[in-house]
Order: sequence, then structure tokens, then C-alpha cells
Amino acid sequence: EDQVTQSPEALRLQEGESSSLNCSYTVSGLRGLFWYRQDPGKGPEFLFTLYSAGEEKEKERLKATLTKKESFLHITAPKPEDSATYLCATELIFGTGTRLQVFP
Amino acid sequence: DVKVTQSSRYLVKRTGEKVFLECVQDMDHENMFWYRQDPGLGLRLIYFSYDVKMKEKGDIPEGYSVSREKKERFSLILESASTNQTSMYLCASRTGGAAGWNTEAFFGQGTRLTVV
Repeated sequence: EDQVTQSPEALRLQEGESSSLNCSYTVSGLRGLFWYRQDPGKGPEFLFTLYSAGEEKEKERLKATLTKKESFLHITAPKPEDSATYLCATELIFGTGTRLQVFP
Repeated sequence: DVKVTQSSRYLVKRTGEKVFLECVQDMDHENMFWYRQDPGLGLRLIYFSYDVKMKEKGDIPEGYSVSREKKERFSLILESASTNQTSMYLCASRTGGAAGWNTEAFFGQGTRLTVV
């Protein structure tokens, strides 16, 4: 059975304090690993797609990486506006997310 | 600009009522999905559709049905609403992708359904 597990559940960072979010997955034949951002009361918004181990994608302060079993979302020098829940997903299955709070 | 529109942001229904949640996308996407989202449980797949008039059960289809008569519209039906169906419902769509690779999903703004 396909599974996606995210950790930690919640993360509190000081502005400027870099960190990483983890997504572990077990799927039979990965056809894309997706990262989304979700703000309270809204639908998830697409961030990145990764297709093969070793692939990396960057956008502003965010960088996503992929191995054969895990994906990481690295946040460099975060700002308060980066506060949100970050979701990882495979074709159909979503992880439960990491709720990130960045304090000034 | 890409758009997935859900018919209601907030809905309050009574136990036993038949409830229709509508979702329309304007991107000519083949695939459409219905999820529910609950605290601590994340997004769980209810039903999905890879083409018009096609439907597949997700992880939690019990108590729900769907309809896809036109490519742009995917409806979720609660046959007889119950209080445990109180949740945030999210519709999504995506293009079919090439050579078996999946593409990103675009989500609606969500419908917060309360069953009393």
C-alpha cells in the first residue's frame, strides 16, 4: 500500500533560521513527488514536482530535493510570510503535512 | 489563469439530507478529484475520475457518490448526510500527463460543510 509520511508535524522557527521538512514515501513506481503549500482556509497551492532521485528544484527561499525514499523541503532564511502548512504528495496520496510558523 | 471553482465556501445541512457539492474547472483537464481534509488526518481521497463518465473509488468512498457528465464538472454527492461527514471538502483537477508521468494538481478554495 502506498504511503506518504511527513515530519515534523509542526515546526516553529525564528525569522532567518533555516531548516528542513521531511517527506518519506513508499510507492510502487513513483511517477512524481509533489510539494504544495496550504494557507488556513484555502486549498493547497502547487510548489514543486520532482520526478527522479537526485533532482532538485528551487523557488525563492525554498528548495526541494528527492532521493529514492525521501524528499526534503529546505527553507533558507525564512520570513513570517512563509508560515503555512506544507504538504507532500505522490500521485493520489497526501501526507498529513508540516505546519510551519516563522516568528519575527 | 488556472481556475477550479467550488460552488460554495460554507454549507450547513441537516442529518439525512442529500447534499451536492459542485466543482468546475476551466483548464480542459482530464483528471478530477474529491478529497476531504480533517485535522490530524490530512487530505483523504474520496473519489476520482480520469475521464468523462468514469469514476474510481478512493480511500474513503463510503457514504459518497460522484457524477461526471461533462469534462469540466465533477460533483460529489452525500446520499444521506451524517454528522461524521462534517469536514472541509476539496476538489482538484490536473492534466493527464505524458508517458505515464503525473502532473501537478490545481485545487479549489474548498467547501466547509457542517452537518447538524
